[in-house]
Amino acid sequence: QKEVEQDPGPLSVPEGAIVSLNCTYSNSAFQYFMWYRQYSRKGPELLMYTYSSGNKEDGRFTAQVDKSSKYISLFIRDSQPSDSATYLCAMVGGATNKLIFGTGTLLAVQP
Amino acid sequence: NAGVMQNPRHLVRRRGQEARLRCSPMKGHSHVYWYRQLPEEGLKFMVYLQKENIIDESGMPKERFSAEFPKEGPSILRIQQVVRGDSAAYFCASSPRELPAGNTIYFGEGSWLTVV
Repeated sequence: QKEVEQDPGPLSVPEGAIVSLNCTYSNSAFQYFMWYRQYSRKGPELLMYTYSSGNKEDGRFTAQVDKSSKYISLFIRDSQPSDSATYLCAMVGGATNKLIFGTGTLLAVQP
Repeated sequence: NAGVMQNPRHLVRRRGQEARLRCSPMKGHSHVYWYRQLPEEGLKFMVYLQKENIIDESGMPKERFSAEFPKEGPSILRIQQVVRGDSAAYFCASSPRELPAGNTIYFGEGSWLTVV
């Protein structure tokens, strides 16, 4: 079993839709959770950073962490074509000194 | 991810040649991480270095791959005797302190290695 599981998609939505991206994990020691956005042939760009359980909002983006279920989500409101990218979840904690990534979900927002 | 500088951005090598990828971390960052991304796959950890020290190389292949982060100059990921399976995007990231410690890491734009 992978430490972090993420549906690779692709996920296609119309412009303006609410997008939900999710990851599950197995290591209960993970405490810090991140979402990165990666455009084609570019480096990952940090979008959201959360610690422990709860919600965090930044503009159109909301990150949600449920440690009891080992489940994290990223919601994108009013999605735009410019949001079309691969979204990677990542996490770290406990004895781990490096980020562990999901495989990424490819999102396409259709105009 | 502005600030972490990687070069070259694109590199073509013939099988058996050596590839050297360089990474200059963000200003003030002394922790460097190398990740590899194969097509249709996520980022796989390779190695974590601090200045003059390899902290964690658990993701590095046992042969042909090496990394360093000297006191002066960029971090180098070196791949000897490249094979076609080494074709991938190699990303460098840096952080100001050891993870997790309330930090995350910032990535460069990557170096795309193609072995022909």
